[in-house]
Amino acid sequence: DAEITQSPRHKITETGRQVTLACHQTWNHNNMFWYRQDLGHGLRLIHYSYGVQDTNKGEVSDGYSVSRSNTEDLPLTLESAASSQTSVYFCASSPTQHGEQFFGPGTRLTVL
Amino acid sequence: AQSVSQHNHHVILSEAASLELGCNYSYGGTVNLFWYVQYPGQHLQLLLKYFSGDPLVKGIKGFEAEFIKSKFSFNLRKPSVQWSDTAEYFCAVNGLYNNNDMRFGAGTRLTVKP
Repeated sequence: DAEITQSPRHKITETGRQVTLACHQTWNHNNMFWYRQDLGHGLRLIHYSYGVQDTNKGEVSDGYSVSRSNTEDLPLTLESAASSQTSVYFCASSPTQHGEQFFGPGTRLTVL
Repeated sequence: AQSVSQHNHHVILSEAASLELGCNYSYGGTVNLFWYVQYPGQHLQLLLKYFSGDPLVKGIKGFEAEFIKSKFSFNLRKPSVQWSDTAEYFCAVNGLYNNNDMRFGAGTRLTVKP
């Protein structure tokens, strides 16, 4: 069955370190998204991609970057982790740009 | 920029009670509307969606939602909740422009007492 996976599932890091969160989908979807989930805010869009070599900023993109070298993967990089980036991160993919999204299991990131 | 408001942060119901969760959005153009559910410890799953057509949409597990354009609302309903409906519910709105602007509400936590 097609799926979307995220790794690691839990990560503890220190302020200032570079962190990369992986997202891999086997749906063959062109469209992929990264969100962060914080209490009281729901999910907020960080970055998204409509295809290979395409990346776009979302609502809360500062301090994050993504790259899309193939259809299956959209890694999210925190260039210099900050305590404000402690959150749960969800990756999603979709067969259409504005339609239903399929979510991964999430990565809980703690920045000390 | 669009925004999504969910009026209830935490709802507690007994089994068999009826449920209505409010969702309002602010956006000037055409939108796609969604309700997602997140069961404890699990990822988000789609309950239902509205793109066009009949404003009353039915989803999985007996849920339905009604799109009222004049009120910018997309409320979620279920006639009789079960203990297994205990979860967090998110309303989401995506404007139909080139820039993806999917916005989620803050979520409503539903607790159903057996």
